[in-house]
Amino acid sequence: QVQLQESGPGLVKPSETLSLTCNVSGGSMSGYDWSWLRQPPGKGLEWVGYIHKSGGTNYSPPLKSRVTISIDAPESQFSLKLSSVTAADTAVYYCARGAWYIDHWGRGTLVTVSS
Amino acid sequence: EIVLTQSPDTLSLSPGERATLSCRASQSVRNNYLGWYQQKPGQAPRLLIYDASTRAPGIPDRFSGSGSGTDFTLSISGLEAEDFAVYYCQQYGSGISPGTFGQGTKVDVK
Repeated sequence: QVQLQESGPGLVKPSETLSLTCNVSGGSMSGYDWSWLRQPPGKGLEWVGYIHKSGGTNYSPPLKSRVTISIDAPESQFSLKLSSVTAADTAVYYCARGAWYIDHWGRGTLVTVSS
Repeated sequence: EIVLTQSPDTLSLSPGERATLSCRASQSVRNNYLGWYQQKPGQAPRLLIYDASTRAPGIPDRFSGSGSGTDFTLSISGLEAEDFAVYYCQQYGSGISPGTFGQGTKVDVK
């Protein structure tokens, strides 16, 4: 059974870059698409973007200018970078498998943007 | 971008009752690429239904999805204690941008 685990700083200063990594275990990364989503405290779900099995990426339009998703398949990891963060980027960030429907999710990690 | 509107915002029911949740799209969802998720407090969402009506592996058959075009429904026949949660619909596969989610419907105990 594939498992995903997010890791990275829980606190990021305004204007800095948020960086998270997702470690994938229990299965191969090849042949699948991989996504990042987020959920502000007490609010709904938002797709940040995904990386396709081909290596191409697709980002949410409001975030597109600030987001980079990359993959390191041999290391069974993929990563998220979100630049120039503000308090509005405070959320639980989930890594997940899939770019259409999401069939496996990480447990999520809370990232707070504050000075 | 397709906007999904779920109704009601909150549904108060008793165990054993039937729940009917609605998801309406601002434009037709291509190939009925519509999913439903359940989320409990402090947990990640769990996929229940994809492609509007296909149950994900391991999902009990009391959960069913239906609909097409712009109107979709998630039904839960005979609510059990573990079904009280927030439910989200999601459209995907547009190819232009990642999918979008509805705002959620909370099913709580009456």
